[in-house]
Amino acid sequence: EAQVTQNPRYLITVTGKKLTVTCSQNMNHEYMSWYRQDPGLGLRQIYYSMNVEVTDKGDVPEGYKVSRKEKRNFPLILESPSPNQTSLYFCASSPEFGGNYGYTFGSGTRLTVV
Amino acid sequence: QKEVEQNSGPLSVPEGAIASLNCTYSDRVSQSFFWYRQYSGKSPELIMSIYSNGDKEDGRFTAQLNKASQYVSLLIRDSQPSDSATYLCAAGGGNSGYALNFGKGTSLLVTP
Repeated sequence: EAQVTQNPRYLITVTGKKLTVTCSQNMNHEYMSWYRQDPGLGLRQIYYSMNVEVTDKGDVPEGYKVSRKEKRNFPLILESPSPNQTSLYFCASSPEFGGNYGYTFGSGTRLTVV
Repeated sequence: QKEVEQNSGPLSVPEGAIASLNCTYSDRVSQSFFWYRQYSGKSPELIMSIYSNGDKEDGRFTAQLNKASQYVSLLIRDSQPSDSATYLCAAGGGNSGYALNFGKGTSLLVTP
């Protein structure tokens, strides 16, 4: 089944404790992206990657890191999480950049930082 | 600023009625438009894409695009309570470069 897999689905952590949210897609998509979704603010892009080793900042990159060492994986790293990073996170992928094909989203990760 | 605007709602329609959801976009050269359905706490699910002016029908869903007016709409015929969700409009392929621009969504409530 073609899908984007995110883990974990739920995570509660403490301020300052480094964490990684994994994202993997099995569709050979070139483009991958991370979003956060907060009430009233909609989907906001954190980082995106057009291909292996090519990443760039989205609209809200502060406090986050990403890497794209393999085509299928695009982990999101929070080096020192803070409570304002409590949010619902989605990974998404697309065959190519440019938005012409729409995105396939992962199931989401609900992160709570206390 | 590239923006996709949607009325946040909630839009309430009775079961069996037609729900009409609207969206405008600011990037005039956008080429691709999408409607996503998102249930509370779940991920967005692609339900329609449209690239050319006019109507595109898929089952109970019809997407309409008017590039001159920079306007996209989604009609849901014979609305069901299971259609109650937030609907996200997205525009891409234009000056936005590498990302889809998403609206904040319209909440639809279909009442039995």
